[in-house]
Amino acid sequence: KQEVTQIPAALSVPEGENLVLNCSFTDSAIYNLQWFRQDPGKGLTSLLLIQSSQREQTSGRLNASLDKSSGRSTLYIAASQPGDSATYLCAVATGNQFYFGTGTSLTVIP
Amino acid sequence: EAQVTQNPRYLITVTGKKLTVTCSQNMNHEYMSWYRQDPGLGLRQIYYSMNVEVTDKGDVPEGYKVSRKEKRNFPLILESPSPNQTSLYFCASSLADRSYFGPGTRLTVL
Repeated sequence: KQEVTQIPAALSVPEGENLVLNCSFTDSAIYNLQWFRQDPGKGLTSLLLIQSSQREQTSGRLNASLDKSSGRSTLYIAASQPGDSATYLCAVATGNQFYFGTGTSLTVIP
Repeated sequence: EAQVTQNPRYLITVTGKKLTVTCSQNMNHEYMSWYRQDPGLGLRQIYYSMNVEVTDKGDVPEGYKVSRKEKRNFPLILESPSPNQTSLYFCASSLADRSYFGPGTRLTVL
């Protein structure tokens, strides 16, 4: 069974700093990996999707990479802002199912 | 506007009283799914549906039922709710594997 781990569970950084969030998974037979953002009391918003054949995807200040063979993905956030404060989750698609990590709670301090 | 809607958003009920949480999407997506989110456990998939009349179990299906009679709707049914089903529930629909989530239903079973 696929297991997804995110480290660290919580992260606090000053505004303007670049940061990296980590995601690891145990079964490399994935179709894709998504990074989501979840604000308190809200649903999830998809940020980036990387297909299994891709190495990275970029959207604005966000860059996600995927190393399928080692079971790892990173989400790089450049020039962090207080509005980036949220919980970030990664999810892998394996077979017809999705498996989520427990998330990294990010706080960007003004 | 593309969206996934869930109702109700909040529900307090008692053990054994049957309930249904509705989910509807307006994007004509074939894939829909239900998740529960619990502290420390992350999101876990309950059921998913590849298309109308096609449903399958996720990781935690016990105590839940679903149906998919129309493409846009995917209700979650708890025939006899128990306190361990107290959780935050999310419905999602997917196209090309990118997932769109509803706002969540917070269920408390007393």
